Amino acid sequence: AQKITQTQPGMFVQEKEAVTLDCTYDTSDQSYGLFWYKQPSSGEMIFLIYQGSYDEQNATEGRYSLNFQKARKSANLVISASQLGDSAMYFCALTTSGTYKYIFGTGTRLKVLA
Amino acid sequence: EAQVTQNPRYLITVTGKKLTVTCSQNMNHEYMSWYRQDPGLGLRQIYYSMNVEVTDKGDVPEGYKVSRKEKRNFPLILESPSPNQTSLYFCASSLVGVGQGGTDTQYFGPGTRLTVL
Repeated sequence: AQKITQTQPGMFVQEKEAVTLDCTYDTSDQSYGLFWYKQPSSGEMIFLIYQGSYDEQNATEGRYSLNFQKARKSANLVISASQLGDSAMYFCALTTSGTYKYIFGTGTRLKVLA
Repeated sequence: EAQVTQNPRYLITVTGKKLTVTCSQNMNHEYMSWYRQDPGLGLRQIYYSMNVEVTDKGDVPEGYKVSRKEKRNFPLILESPSPNQTSLYFCASSLVGVGQGGTDTQYFGPGTRLTVL
């Protein structure tokens, strides 16, 4: 069965510092995709970054990078130079070729302090 | 503009009164999906559709129906809503169901906040 675990319900970070949001996953499929989404207080779901299971390089998108450690089944999101606008809920998600379903974690609420 | 639209955005209804939440995408995506979001539980997939006339259950399908008669539309039907279906609902779509290279990245509608009294 697929599973996504986000163990940090809430985190604080000082503005301009880097922060890592943890995500571990479990699947027996060899082909899968990992995603991170941001949900600000306004409620919309914003796609941030994608990592495919066969990608050899860690994904990066601007200030976002995904620290993909396949053997450890972890896909942590790193936000560099945090901004006040980064305060939001962050969700990690997984989809696999075996099920065509998407599984989301319970989320991490990040608060950036001025 | 490429987007996923949902209507209505807010709905308050009573137990047992059938309702439909519409979802439409203009990106020619094959895969569409419905989720509900509840505090502390994250997003849970209700139903998904791989293509026209192809639908399947997600993890929490009880009490919901869907149909996919056209590629762009994927309505969510609550035949007899109950208070435990009070939630924030999201529709999402992606180019394909599962692939590599990000073609399975889902794009979300704005959400529908449903309250069942």
